[in-house]
Amino acid sequence: DTGVSQDPRHKITKRGQNVTFRCDPISEHNRLYWYRQTLGQGPEFLTYFQNEAQLEKSRLLSDRFSAERPKGSFSTLEIQRTEQGDSAMYLCASSLEARQYFGPGTRLTVT
Amino acid sequence: DAKTTQPPSMDCAEGRAANLPCNHSTISGNEYVYWYRQIHSQGPQYIIHGLKNNETNEMASLIITEDRKSSTLILPHATLRDTAVYYCIVRGTQGGSEKLVFGKGTKLTVNP
Repeated sequence: DTGVSQDPRHKITKRGQNVTFRCDPISEHNRLYWYRQTLGQGPEFLTYFQNEAQLEKSRLLSDRFSAERPKGSFSTLEIQRTEQGDSAMYLCASSLEARQYFGPGTRLTVT
Repeated sequence: DAKTTQPPSMDCAEGRAANLPCNHSTISGNEYVYWYRQIHSQGPQYIIHGLKNNETNEMASLIITEDRKSSTLILPHATLRDTAVYYCIVRGTQGGSEKLVFGKGTKLTVNP
């Protein structure tokens, strides 16, 4: 257990539905990251926050994806109008300096 | 794209040293080499990182060549619980992106 928690751990949804995932980082960490991982691939970067500011977004983050980190604490990742291609593991990580601590991930299955 | 090249898979006998190679021939002067591993269905776990000197911690040793174009992660006495995908990542820390760029890694299987 790294101290980073994610909720839910598993989510099954039907195509077209909206889903929201939550990440609670280690409390003193000011940096928070979201990654996506599909089967057989390494994690791919989605977005990065420093405190409440979203400083970097990947081109993978289409307009159906939105991430927030109100008050610089927990973060949410919302996917609107889910597609089957969104099925993946969504990983959250936090850091104070260079080393990133990853949560257990949320596995999304879109049917 | 990942800046590193790793073999897709390796095997190691339990109790023996596991030596995982990584090529990073385009590494620049301010970029560090990081190693993470991912045990099945878990999030990646930090192992070690270094700039140019060899590093050792309770998990592993990192040997970086003098020209910094390659490195080796050493697990001195591999156990079955070390079976995982190991990722070698090159990352700058001064004004560059904060993200980690993962490749496909090396799938290490430790056999009894």
